[in-house]
Amino acid sequence: SQQGEEDPQALSIQEGENATMNCSYKTSINNLQWYRQNSGRGLVHLILIRSNEREKHSGRLRVTLDTSKKSSSLLITASRAADTASYFCATDDSGSARQLTFGSGTQLTVLP
Amino acid sequence: DGGITQSPKYLFRKEGQNVTLSCEQNLNHDAMYWYRQDPGQGLRLIYYSQIVNDFQKGDIAEGYSVSREKKESFPLTVTSAQKNPTAFYLCATRRADTQYFGPGTRLTVL
Repeated sequence: SQQGEEDPQALSIQEGENATMNCSYKTSINNLQWYRQNSGRGLVHLILIRSNEREKHSGRLRVTLDTSKKSSSLLITASRAADTASYFCATDDSGSARQLTFGSGTQLTVLP
Repeated sequence: DGGITQSPKYLFRKEGQNVTLSCEQNLNHDAMYWYRQDPGQGLRLIYYSQIVNDFQKGDIAEGYSVSREKKESFPLTVTSAQKNPTAFYLCATRRADTQYFGPGTRLTVL
């Protein structure tokens, strides 16, 4: 079963605007990661936030984590048409397999 | 996608046939994973291997088999027992906490 649920399922914005995607999960985690997938391609790792961290930045990306609410958000600032992709959150429960459990994704469309 | 190759990019299978998807990596990572992705959905784990000659079932292993004879290679066989194999298949490796993905193979059953 999938642990993470992203919200919204689809998001359409104009270039230059900010995009915010949310992820909720159910069980305790070691870390939470965000990945990006262009249509028909593999996933690319964007950013990782550990369970003892509350906020992390990487370029135009800002991730927050609230372990009390079991939720995370990904903010992309000053979006570009090239940011159009699906974005997935994935949780790592630090089990022996180091298995990632993925959500169903948010499809972001940035209009030029 | 760098360092992980998957072949073929597209694969067509007739019902009742077994097919093997290739995954090769030159990243020197010990752990490798196979995921299945259905349209509009996230990834589900099929099998994983943390070391050569060892592998474990994931959440949806029924109808699939794997081998790990070399560190660089982790092929996935989709058997005729898999009733609905049409999907996008992704191979990944892991270093520390991060997984690195190949470009994927799209399998279609005719």
